[in-house]
Amino acid sequence: QQQVKQSPQSLIVQKGGISIINCAYENTAFDYFPWYQQFPGKGPALLIAIRPDVSEKKEGRFTISFNKSAKQFSLHIMDSQPGDSATYFCAATTLYNFNKFYFGSGTKLNVKP
Amino acid sequence: NAGVTQTPKFRVLKTGQSMTLLCAQDMNHEYMYWYRQDPGMGLRLIHYSVGEGTTAKGEVPDGYNVSRLKKQNFLLGLESAAPSQTSVYFCASRTSGTNYEQYFGPGTRLTVT
Repeated sequence: QQQVKQSPQSLIVQKGGISIINCAYENTAFDYFPWYQQFPGKGPALLIAIRPDVSEKKEGRFTISFNKSAKQFSLHIMDSQPGDSATYFCAATTLYNFNKFYFGSGTKLNVKP
Repeated sequence: NAGVTQTPKFRVLKTGQSMTLLCAQDMNHEYMYWYRQDPGMGLRLIHYSVGEGTTAKGEVPDGYNVSRLKKQNFLLGLESAAPSQTSVYFCASRTSGTNYEQYFGPGTRLTVT
């Protein structure tokens, strides 16, 4: 049973558009939610992360929105660029056992020029 | 500063053969992890280590063994490879304390025929 469910599997967005990727979880003990970006042939790299004491975190064109009551969080990429084309993974863990990260299944984003 | 490196990059095994994947990090990180990445499944934790000489099971440990004899190295062993172990394997490391960012290696693509 997957602890973190991610959608969509793939996403095509025009350059300049907004990309939105959603994740949902069941375990209310999760309290740290990172997003990772992975380019082909490379390992994932941390993009941005949020804790549930805030509803939104923004870093440049990347924003995480967090809805604790709905147990959902999402990644918004504003002004999407072809260089953003990659696979994105959400993840979750508990800070009292932060060695076990549970990853979503990934979203392959393609930004068309 | 090479970060996290993995050896080998690619490997093809026959069912029943054994092999060891090597992960090395030069960031003096305490924690190290082995994940496998399968299409539609995201990353799943196999084993992890919180320090030299210690290891623990993750989400999918069956069929794998690990060792952490030196702080900078984390080895993943397959004693008797099975086709179900065909996957891309990623190693990651992170420092102790409140920085939860994991640094990933470039991956090892393993095919078991």
